[in-house]
Amino acid sequence: QKEVEQDPGPLSVPEGAIVSLNCTYSNSAFQYFMWYRQYSRKGPELLMYTYSSGNKEDGRFTAQVDKSSKYISLFIRDSQPSDSATYLCAMSGTSYDKVIFGPGTSLSVIP
Amino acid sequence: DVKVTQSSRYLVKRTGEKVFLECVQDMDHENMFWYRQDPGLGLRLIYFSYDVKMKEKGDIPEGYSVSREKKERFSLILESASTNQTSMYLCASSSLHRATEAFFGQGTRLTVV
Repeated sequence: QKEVEQDPGPLSVPEGAIVSLNCTYSNSAFQYFMWYRQYSRKGPELLMYTYSSGNKEDGRFTAQVDKSSKYISLFIRDSQPSDSATYLCAMSGTSYDKVIFGPGTSLSVIP
Repeated sequence: DVKVTQSSRYLVKRTGEKVFLECVQDMDHENMFWYRQDPGLGLRLIYFSYDVKMKEKGDIPEGYSVSREKKERFSLILESASTNQTSMYLCASSSLHRATEAFFGQGTRLTVV
């Protein structure tokens, strides 16, 4: 079993839809949870960062962590074509530990 | 604007060549990382460094070496390139205790023929 699993997609939604992206993980020691966004032919950029369980909201983006289920989600409200990218979940046990990345989900938002 | 700059966007090299990938960051970060990214496998850590002249193996160090002679520069070396090293290579940096908040370069697409 991989440490971090993520549906690779591709996921295609109409503009304005609510998007849900998810990852599952196996290591209960993970405490730090990140979402990176990667546009085509670019490097990943940090989008959201959450410590332990709970929700965090930033504009149209909400990150949710359920440690009891070892499941994290990223919700995108009112999705825009500019949200079309690959979304990578990432996690770590401490802020200085090695970070484990999921394989990424490819998202296309159709105008 | 913070930056991690990789020296090449695209490289084509022949099997057996020695290949150098260069990365420079301007954020005075202690940590620097080299990853490779392959479809379905995500980012895999090759090597990282937390200080000048310090290096630690990641998950897939075989066939690679690194050099960090200055804080801002981290080089990845493919000693004898092979076709299975065809991949996207990503450099990243972070402050010492914030490995969870990494800044990435734009990537180098390496093709070994």
